[in-house]
Amino acid sequence: GDSVTQMEGPVTLSEEAFLTINCTYTATGYPSLFWYVQYPGEGLQLLLKATKADDKGSNKGFEATYRKETTSFHLEKGSVQVSDSAVYFCALPPLYGGSQGNLIFGKGTKLSVKP
Amino acid sequence: DAGVTQSPTHLIKTRGQQVTLRCSPKSGHDTVSWYQQALGQGPQFIFQYYEEEERQRGNFPDRFSGHQFPNYSSELNVNALLLGDSALYLCASSLSFGVTDTQYFGPGTRLTVL
Repeated sequence: GDSVTQMEGPVTLSEEAFLTINCTYTATGYPSLFWYVQYPGEGLQLLLKATKADDKGSNKGFEATYRKETTSFHLEKGSVQVSDSAVYFCALPPLYGGSQGNLIFGKGTKLSVKP
Repeated sequence: DAGVTQSPTHLIKTRGQQVTLRCSPKSGHDTVSWYQQALGQGPQFIFQYYEEEERQRGNFPDRFSGHQFPNYSSELNVNALLLGDSALYLCASSLSFGVTDTQYFGPGTRLTVL
């Protein structure tokens, strides 16, 4: 079945360091791909998304490119801040009756940024 | 524009009890999904409601049931609570069922079963 695999954390970086969080997927067809972020004690917030192959989603300095060839959607940011400390989830909606429905999430990657 | 709201914020129950969680979707959204997030894990899909009917269901027992009202708000009910039901329960809403669309999440209800 459809699935999402994220790199395991936790990831600890110094402020202004470069961030990469790997995400690969297995899916029927070419679903949209999402990155969600969960700050401590809060629900999930959509960070960015891409709806088709070669699309690049971006938001708040974060970017991810939908790579059909490598079935990947890696999250990157050139210079992280302490405020980026959170748990990041990669997700996709599996096909259901020909339509995209609920979301399948990866296990999450916890990022801690030190000043 | 109000986002997704959930109530209560926190809840403590004992084994065997029943619980009801509530969710109001983002304005203009008609589809509501529920997820269970155990500590340190990603959210797991429970079920999705559209037009007051359950449309999709994840791998959860019948103890988990739901309802959607004409105003699109929704309830999640869990009967015969087990210790393992302790989790953050997230509600998400989207614009329409069966269409590729972003799901917007509420802050969640933290359920603790003692």
